[in-house]
Amino acid sequence: EIVLTQSPATLSVSPGERVTLSCRASQSLSTLLAWYQQKPGQAPRLLIYDASTRATGVPARFSGSGSGTEFTLTISSLQSDDFAIYYCQQVYNWPPGNFGQGTKLEIK
Amino acid sequence: QVQLVESGGGFVKPGGSLRLSCAASGFNFDEEYMSWIRLAPGKGPEWISYISGSGYTEVYADSVKGRFTISRDNAKNSVYLQMHSLRVEDTAVYFCARDIRLFHFWGQGTQVTVSS
Repeated sequence: EIVLTQSPATLSVSPGERVTLSCRASQSLSTLLAWYQQKPGQAPRLLIYDASTRATGVPARFSGSGSGTEFTLTISSLQSDDFAIYYCQQVYNWPPGNFGQGTKLEIK
Repeated sequence: QVQLVESGGGFVKPGGSLRLSCAASGFNFDEEYMSWIRLAPGKGPEWISYISGSGYTEVYADSVKGRFTISRDNAKNSVYLQMHSLRVEDTAVYFCARDIRLFHFWGQGTQVTVSS
């Protein structure tokens, strides 16, 4: 099974800051990685797929990069609406297409 | 627009059963694969099952194989998850989602709590 390791587990940041979240895979995924955002009481929302393609309606401040085993999600200037949990998901080996454990963005 | 509405969650003792439902609208339901995904406290989402548009193909995660059954009724635009032999570790919010692999559309989720 492919293991996804997200870091850090929690990140305290201030609005307006630039943040970079990391997702590392235990084997190469090519670019078959997605990112989701989840807010309390809501379903996860697809942000990025194929490592760097923004899903419909996702603001341009969200960007994804990487290939192989190292991936990043960058938020260029944090808005108050962005404080949430972010999960990466591999779709290289499907099923099960497992998710990472998440990175929680907290307000500093 | 695409809407998915789950129901049927609740509190059940270990070994018990529950049946979850998901009512879909806003798209050609019988043309789309449907999945169930769960989110347990402190963990990442876990895909657990999908079913083809025709209903002929069902696939399960190892964690639920033999205990859970996915089905659909295309006349009712609904997908179901029958859960048997529930365990404490099945406690989670259960979501239905359209498609497989990449999940653009999700329901709001239904809570399943398994506890003695």
